[in-house]
Amino acid sequence: KAGVTQTPRYLIKTRGQQVTLSCSPISGHRSVSWYQQTPGQGLQFLFEYFSETQRNKGNFPGRFSGRQFSNSRSEMNVSTLELGDSALYLCASTGDGGETQYFGPGTRLLVL
Amino acid sequence: QKEVEQDPGPLSVPEGAIVSLNCTYSNSAFQYFMWYRQYSRKGPELLMYTYSSGNKEDGRFTAQVDKSSKYISLFIRDSQPSDSATYLCAMTKNTDKLIFGTGTRLQVFP
Repeated sequence: KAGVTQTPRYLIKTRGQQVTLSCSPISGHRSVSWYQQTPGQGLQFLFEYFSETQRNKGNFPGRFSGRQFSNSRSEMNVSTLELGDSALYLCASTGDGGETQYFGPGTRLLVL
Repeated sequence: QKEVEQDPGPLSVPEGAIVSLNCTYSNSAFQYFMWYRQYSRKGPELLMYTYSSGNKEDGRFTAQVDKSSKYISLFIRDSQPSDSATYLCAMTKNTDKLIFGTGTRLQVFP
């Protein structure tokens, strides 16, 4: 099976812009979770989607949003970018009834 | 206090050494425990997965969970330079979100 894929892999934006990141889960996986990884905070949970519905949400401001499509692909959007949003954004997928999450390679976002 | 504590290292060991990586946690409801390995500029890769207390072995890797002490460990035997990476512990209650440690950076030198 193909693994989790994320696009784009690298992105440079300026403050105030918005960005959309995409994630395609492993085939058959319906749960997609998003994480932000920074050197200071480590991996922090953003949100999880299952069957097109947000099932869990972390403690991030409303500028961070996401959605999931009927084919389980997911997107996350960050509006009004701030310098502190520079991070590696990781997506992970989980099979039904499973607890283990399989990660994609991440999208590295740099906000200037 | 964070829910999961992990020494960030870095930990530097010679090739062939036994490496011990550890995490402590505060939430007694955690039941599923994982170790991920993350190479530089890559996503985390699942190494070991354990349910509840006990040991699990996979090749050179052994994961231990002590729920009474809220302490988990990952042992790497005969460490290799290719094991140089950041190791992240993670845990969850059920299908809830994963809570990660901050990761321990390991360097194995020849």
